[in-house]
Amino acid sequence: AQSVTQPDIHITVSEGASLELRCNYSYGATPYLFWYVQSPGQGLQLLLKYFSGDTLVQGIKGFEAEFKRSQSSFNLRKPSVHWSDAAEYFCAVVTSYSGAGSYQLTFGKGTKLSVIP
Amino acid sequence: EAQVTQNPRYLITVTGKKLTVTCSQNMNHEYMSWYRQDPGLGLRQIYYSMNVEVTDKGDVPEGYKVSRKEKRNFPLILESPSPNQTSLYFCASSFLAGSGETQYFGPGTRLLVL
Repeated sequence: AQSVTQPDIHITVSEGASLELRCNYSYGATPYLFWYVQSPGQGLQLLLKYFSGDTLVQGIKGFEAEFKRSQSSFNLRKPSVHWSDAAEYFCAVVTSYSGAGSYQLTFGKGTKLSVIP
Repeated sequence: EAQVTQNPRYLITVTGKKLTVTCSQNMNHEYMSWYRQDPGLGLRQIYYSMNVEVTDKGDVPEGYKVSRKEKRNFPLILESPSPNQTSLYFCASSFLAGSGETQYFGPGTRLLVL
């Protein structure tokens, strides 16, 4: 069965430090991959997505992610974290899609990011 | 403003009392979906709909019903709520041009079933 794994439940970094959040997927075909961010008390906002082309994807708020097929990974990175980046981050992969357009989005369990001033 | 709205945002109810959580989008999206979010479990899809009168089960459909009579609305119905349905619920929508389309999420509905 298709799945998404985020190995880190909680990460703490200092403001200004670099960040990498890990995401591994299990899916037979070429995956469609997403990173969403959820700020406290808010809904989810899309950071970036990958479904073809360049394996390094740029997103909003200075985030980027790299798709590595050989490692089944889609890790999220940011070179310098800001205090406002403290949130929960979810990796997601499209599963169960057909030519008729029916699809499901499967989410990882999330990684909570804390930022130390 | 393009958005997905949910009502109510907060709801406390008792076991067995039927309730409906409404979801509406103003972006003319074909695809709509309901998720529940629980600590340590992330988001899990309950039901989704590809268009009017077309719905399908997600990963955790038990205890829920949905309907899609209009393109913009996708209500979630709990016929007989139980405490294990206490959760944070999100509605989302997207175009159906391809499965790589971005889903737009509503602000969430926090439900407590006593």
